[in-house]
Amino acid sequence: SQKIEQNSEALNIQEGKTATLTCNYTNYSPAYLQWYRQDPGRGPVFLLLIRENEKEKRKERLKVTFDTTLKQSLFHITASQPADSATYLCALDLAMDTGRRALTFGSGTRLQVQP
Amino acid sequence: DAGITQSPRYKITETGRQVTLMCHQTWSHSYMFWYRQDLGHGLRLIYYSAAADITDKGEVPDGYVVSRSKTENFPLTLESATRSQTSVYFCASSESGPGQGHTGELFFGEGSRLTVL
Repeated sequence: SQKIEQNSEALNIQEGKTATLTCNYTNYSPAYLQWYRQDPGRGPVFLLLIRENEKEKRKERLKVTFDTTLKQSLFHITASQPADSATYLCALDLAMDTGRRALTFGSGTRLQVQP
Repeated sequence: DAGITQSPRYKITETGRQVTLMCHQTWSHSYMFWYRQDLGHGLRLIYYSAAADITDKGEVPDGYVVSRSKTENFPLTLESATRSQTSVYFCASSESGPGQGHTGELFFGEGSRLTVL
């Protein structure tokens, strides 16, 4: 069965450093992968999309890579700030039928940026 | 107000009762989703829908029923609530899949916190 794995342990880093979060998946070849941010008590908010034919995507201080051979995506936040503290989730579409969308999420990694 | 709204935001019920969680979006998005979120499990997909009258089971559909007679509404019903269904439920919608100029992003509601005693 398909599986999406993210580090369950919280990641603690110092302000100004780069945070790197990992999303691994098995038994699937997704056409794209999305990253979301979730704050406590709120719904997730979309951050970035990366497609299977893209190696890297950037948005301001965020960078996402997608290695379809390793079946892994890395999510980087450079020059991290305490306001970046949140849970970050990756999501893949596991629908087998075109036209359907079964966006399935990893369990998320909680990032804590210390001032 | 425009957006995606869930109701009720908080609900306490008893084992065996039927509960319906409502989800309404004003964008006419084609795709809608229901997730539950529990500590240690992250977001788990219950049901998803590509359009009105088209629904599919996700990872954890047992004990839940959905309908989508209108594009903007996607209610989730627990036919006979159990304690294991105590959770936070999130509804989401999306205009399309990732395509030309589209990210396929999901827009989430604020969640419905359900407690089954």
